[in-house]
Amino acid sequence: GAVVSQHPSWVICKSGTSVKIECRSLDFQATTMFWYRQFPKQSLMLMATSNEGSKATYEQGVEKDKFLINHASLTLSTLTVTSAHPEDSSFYICSAQISPSGSYGYTFGSGTRLTVV
Amino acid sequence: KQEVTQIPAALSVPEGENLVLNCSFTDSAIYNLQWFRQDPGKGLTSLLLIQSSQREQTSGRLNASLDKSSGRSTLYIAASQPGDSATYLCAVLDDYKLSFGAGTTVTVRA
Repeated sequence: GAVVSQHPSWVICKSGTSVKIECRSLDFQATTMFWYRQFPKQSLMLMATSNEGSKATYEQGVEKDKFLINHASLTLSTLTVTSAHPEDSSFYICSAQISPSGSYGYTFGSGTRLTVV
Repeated sequence: KQEVTQIPAALSVPEGENLVLNCSFTDSAIYNLQWFRQDPGKGLTSLLLIQSSQREQTSGRLNASLDKSSGRSTLYIAASQPGDSATYLCAVLDDYKLSFGAGTTVTVRA
């Protein structure tokens, strides 16, 4: 149980275009989802926390106008990278709390490899 | 600010040897600690979750201990196999935010 499905697994886009990444909780309701970015051989960097029905909370240094997050339902959160540039190329992973407090841990999507050319 | 450190950064062992992976954190006021496995280009798979009130958790060949007062956790993998080759990440939860270590990349040689 507690599976998070993330799509697409990889995407290549041209500079200046926008890319949308979806994260769905399949068998539970995810009130809160998290979006991470991971650079090669580095750990996960939290970008933002999305709460269903409200605005996302962005970490310091993350451009909210570039990385648009929408959490319109209890099972779906999306991250849209707008006007993508090569420096946005990275591995993006979503996560959800298995319980509202996180006491039962977190489950992660399979990640999306974004390459901007 | 919570800081999580994992030592060593990389580890290579022959098949059958036991693995010992270390994780330390600076703020002991945590709710729980979770160990994950990450294969190249993939997401994270949860291995073990230890609540702050617990001392250890076991699952098959995996055993994780937690010493909250000293800010340390250790993941033991018994009788390693080539399929155990991956990066192992530990993460601590405090104030409803996960903080990750940089991971230990394990290679098990056949």
